[in-house]
Amino acid sequence: GAGVSQSPSNKVTEKGKDVELRCDPISGHTALYWYRQRLGQGLEFLIYFQGNSAPDKSGLPSDRFSAERTGESVSTLTIQRTQQEDSAVYLCASSQASGGSSYEQYFGPGTRLTVT
Amino acid sequence: GDSVTQMEGPVTLSEEAFLTINCTYTATGYPSLFWYVQYPGEGLQLLLKATKADDKGSNKGFEATYRKETTSFHLEKGSVQVSDSAVYFCALSSVSWGKLQFGAGTQVVVTP
Repeated sequence: GAGVSQSPSNKVTEKGKDVELRCDPISGHTALYWYRQRLGQGLEFLIYFQGNSAPDKSGLPSDRFSAERTGESVSTLTIQRTQQEDSAVYLCASSQASGGSSYEQYFGPGTRLTVT
Repeated sequence: GDSVTQMEGPVTLSEEAFLTINCTYTATGYPSLFWYVQYPGEGLQLLLKATKADDKGSNKGFEATYRKETTSFHLEKGSVQVSDSAVYFCALSSVSWGKLQFGAGTQVVVTP
């Protein structure tokens, strides 16, 4: 089947507005990750979901960031009251399981967020 | 905390040249190590991995050996092609559930 998909591919928003980013993982993948890639930098981990377990939110940079996932399906990342420093590419990845750190993560194409 | 340091780019090479991208890491325990590649206009994809010391990961002519004594995982290719032009990311995972810690990425440009 299809790979990880994300929408929108691009989003331009005004400072102070809320935005919602969507990720559709590969069917059957129980683990889902969100990362952020700022210009010229590596990817920063944001949040991790595994099945019905409580998510690991240790990478979220502030309480303006939140994410949800419905079962082992779609996930949404919400950024409230956006700031210019939130401008980045937001990447979603999924993997078959989290039983070992060697499982391959499959990445989506990302959502490029620009806050003006 | 965990960290990954890789050489800065861009690295510009002629076709058929030898490529090395240095990567060193700091981590607790025994992490798994990865190289991801991002071709222009495409998503990030796994290039190769190694899960324990002295393992060699290989794919598409690229190789990297997990060196615990030097905490390194350098990426090499003997003869690059124009199609190898991309951004390469070194990454590690030292937790059981797979959170990846990435380096900043190295852009490689291969000219004909």
